[in-house]
Amino acid sequence: DTAVSQTPKYLVTQMGNDKSIKCEQNLGHDTMYWYKQDSKKFLKIMFSYNNKELIINETVPNRFSPKSPDKAHLNLHINSLELGDSAVYFCASSPGNDPNTGELFFGEGSRLTVL
Amino acid sequence: GQNIDQPTEMTATEGAIVQINCTYQTSGFNGLFWYQQHAGEAPTFLSYNVLDGLEEKGRFSSFLSRSKGYSYLLLKELQMKDSASYLCAALDSNYQLIWGAGTKLIIKP
Repeated sequence: DTAVSQTPKYLVTQMGNDKSIKCEQNLGHDTMYWYKQDSKKFLKIMFSYNNKELIINETVPNRFSPKSPDKAHLNLHINSLELGDSAVYFCASSPGNDPNTGELFFGEGSRLTVL
Repeated sequence: GQNIDQPTEMTATEGAIVQINCTYQTSGFNGLFWYQQHAGEAPTFLSYNVLDGLEEKGRFSSFLSRSKGYSYLLLKELQMKDSASYLCAALDSNYQLIWGAGTKLIIKP
């Protein structure tokens, strides 16, 4: 069974559309994250949730809205997609009550291409 | 500001040894991580150092010097499957991971 799974793995869409990426972890971890990896391969934290509560909210356009229905799920909804949103989005989880105190377990990534 | 520096690309020969360096400048420090990322795949955890010194784990070892803001990842007996990007990341005082851009390691036969 995949520990951190995200869907879809590939997403191609037009500018201006709204899309969602879903993430689920079956590791029993308390903390989940969304990262964006751009063409230069930098991993940038976007959001972090601990037990369904928002912990980290980096400088991200408010077109990006995370939702955590329970601690095993963290979904990412993006409104009014722009060309610059094209990237690979990684979901990750980590154990513990504090974010980033342990190793991160990454999902396989969702490659978003905005045309 | 906070910054992680590591070489963009390195080339090594199968069976040889390679050392990938990383220097960091962060607001506080709670440890240094190394991750491996194969092309088109997710990063996977390799090592975590918070105390000075060398941590060995099979063919891979990681070293940390807190006073110098410096770490390296040492890969021995290189195999073709070690061709990947190696990401250095430092945990700052707010427990936020600051990532480097990664070092692309190319292994030649």
